[in-house]
Amino acid sequence: DAKTTQPNSMESNEEEPVHLPCNHSTISGTDYIHWYRQLPSQGPEYVIHGLTSNVNNRMASLAIAEDRKSSTLILHRATLRDAAVYYCILSDYGQNFVFGPGTRLSVLP
Amino acid sequence: EAQVTQNPRYLITVTGKKLTVTCSQNMNHEYMSWYRQDPGLGLRQIYYSMNVEVTDKGDVPEGYKVSRKEKRNFPLILESPSPNQTSLYFCASSPKGGRILWDEQFFGPGTRLTVL
Repeated sequence: DAKTTQPNSMESNEEEPVHLPCNHSTISGTDYIHWYRQLPSQGPEYVIHGLTSNVNNRMASLAIAEDRKSSTLILHRATLRDAAVYYCILSDYGQNFVFGPGTRLSVLP
Repeated sequence: EAQVTQNPRYLITVTGKKLTVTCSQNMNHEYMSWYRQDPGLGLRQIYYSMNVEVTDKGDVPEGYKVSRKEKRNFPLILESPSPNQTSLYFCASSPKGGRILWDEQFFGPGTRLTVL
């Protein structure tokens, strides 16, 4: 399975944008890029996913590099509720869905 | 309310005593999956199911069994639990997954299992 690399932790101020990077240099042509987050004492929660084009939804934006070797999750205005562990995951059709250690995001008031 | 439910939420058992953790979803989802979460190791997939009667091994299937006789249920069976299966377990479902098109996974609240 293609692997992802994320920073262990990041900090942001409340109401400011947050850019969470993910490197996936061995991504294959059929791998989707997924982002999930896990708030303390809860199960993971879907954030966004994409294949090649940038994606937007009510929660976040996903910017995918042209060569697809990296992507960035963008939270447009961080709130205290956004403090969580964010996971970047690659998955092909029918393949394992593998969570890495993720990035722990702290949001400062 | 659309949801994934797991039972029990907490379980303490002893080595070798067979147990089943149930998972049920009321969203008519095709794809279901089981994960375990351990400190320092993150979430690892145990088994997944693309549809009824179709199951596949994930990253860490040893010591576990699953079945998918009906669309809504995907029980996780530990035939002979051991202490190294002490973990937090999550079940998830998705409208579709894999070969057709990936969609978001909805996770259950988790089952904390302790095997003594």
